Amino acid sequence: QVQLQESGPGLVKPSETLSLICTVSDFSISSGYYWGWVRQPPGKGLEWVGSIHHTGSTYYNPSLKSRIIIGVDTSKNQFSLNLSSVTAADTAVYYCAKTYYDILAGSAMDVWGQGTTVTVSS
Amino acid sequence: DIQMTQSPSSLSASVGDRVTITCRASQNINTYLNWYQQKPGKAPKFLIFRTSTLQSGVPARFSGSGSGTDFTLTISRLQQEDFATYYCQQSYSTPLTFGGGTKVEIK
Repeated sequence: QVQLQESGPGLVKPSETLSLICTVSDFSISSGYYWGWVRQPPGKGLEWVGSIHHTGSTYYNPSLKSRIIIGVDTSKNQFSLNLSSVTAADTAVYYCAKTYYDILAGSAMDVWGQGTTVTVSS
Repeated sequence: DIQMTQSPSSLSASVGDRVTITCRASQNINTYLNWYQQKPGKAPKFLIFRTSTLQSGVPARFSGSGSGTDFTLTISRLQQEDFATYYCQQSYSTPLTFGGGTKVEIK
């Protein structure tokens, strides 16, 4: 059963870059599917951040596109999120997730990490 | 972007009640609509795929219907473990978007 685990700093200063890693267990990222990030500000709903295919194709939320980079490291079976120039509005629980099919549109997110809380504050 | 609107934003119900949650898309999304359940402090759980396909392990008291712009999630007889927040999500096109959530609380 595939498992995902987020890791990274819990506190980031304003204007700096938020960097998270999602480690995938019991499944090879190279086998397919899209791997992505969803965030949830405190007390609010879910927002899709972006996704990457094992081939490197990326899809980003346009609201974040100028600040976001999602990468994949198949040798480590990990994918990553870098969000630059963060503000307090980027404070959220960040989840990594896998798609149900080897497509993004038309699919769903069937396996989720437990989430990691990131606070933006000086 | 496709906007997803859920109603109500919260509801109070008793064990055994029938509960219906509505999700409306700002444009036609065919049946590309998924549902998730989230309990406090936990990651969302994938419940229903493409409007009506229950995921493995999801009780049959859950059902989904709809097409185009209007969708519903129904819980036929609410159980204690169903008290949670439910989110719809369209997968018709990127950016993927979620509804604002419906919190199902104990009456």
